[in-house]
Amino acid sequence: NAGVTQTPKFQVLKTGQSMTLQCAQDMNHEYMSWYRQDPGMGLRLIHYSVGAGITDQGEVPNGYNVSRSTTEDFPLRLLSAAPSQTSVYFCASSQTGVPGELFFGEGSRLTVL
Amino acid sequence: SQQGEEDPQALSIQEGENATMNCSYKTSINNLQWYRQNSGRGLVHLILIRSNEREKHSGRLRVTLDTSKKSSSLLITASRAADTASYFCATMYSGGGADGLTFGKGTHLIIQP
Repeated sequence: NAGVTQTPKFQVLKTGQSMTLQCAQDMNHEYMSWYRQDPGMGLRLIHYSVGAGITDQGEVPNGYNVSRSTTEDFPLRLLSAAPSQTSVYFCASSQTGVPGELFFGEGSRLTVL
Repeated sequence: SQQGEEDPQALSIQEGENATMNCSYKTSINNLQWYRQNSGRGLVHLILIRSNEREKHSGRLRVTLDTSKKSSSLLITASRAADTASYFCATMYSGGGADGLTFGKGTHLIIQP
């Protein structure tokens, strides 16, 4: 009963490096999304997808890229990491395309030096 | 921004007491959700209340919604140490699509033993 699985849990990058945060869900959910959580800022939507092959931008998409080649997976790519991308990243999924109850992963804590 | 705002930002009470948190929002909504986040963990969905509902219960949780005041409250009765967490409201604004769910900054609840 895995739910939403994120990897890695922790990552340290140097400025300019690229990396991919992985997210997988085993609930056959249509909707998947990425949020970042910063102190005092709440959760902000980065990118989302309403189904395989469909992605769109959220509130803070700059510097990030996503793809949705399968229903299960929704990776988040940091193209050229910057210190401003130091944050905790959460992947979340929902059964339908318009999100109702969101199921969250445990988070990926990223530090960019 | 349609972001909900929780009040208070932090709340400390004795075990066994009731805890009340409030959420205010700016525009018409389809539904409002409450989530809990334990330290270092992902968010967990607690309850969803639709715009045509005024009150919902789930175990020790009671949520009210006043659309005329654009506000909601979450009441946790007979609090326990395990209720120590941050609580977030999330609003799905009317006409919002797949990017329409926005989170507040949270209330940090501490239950003193």
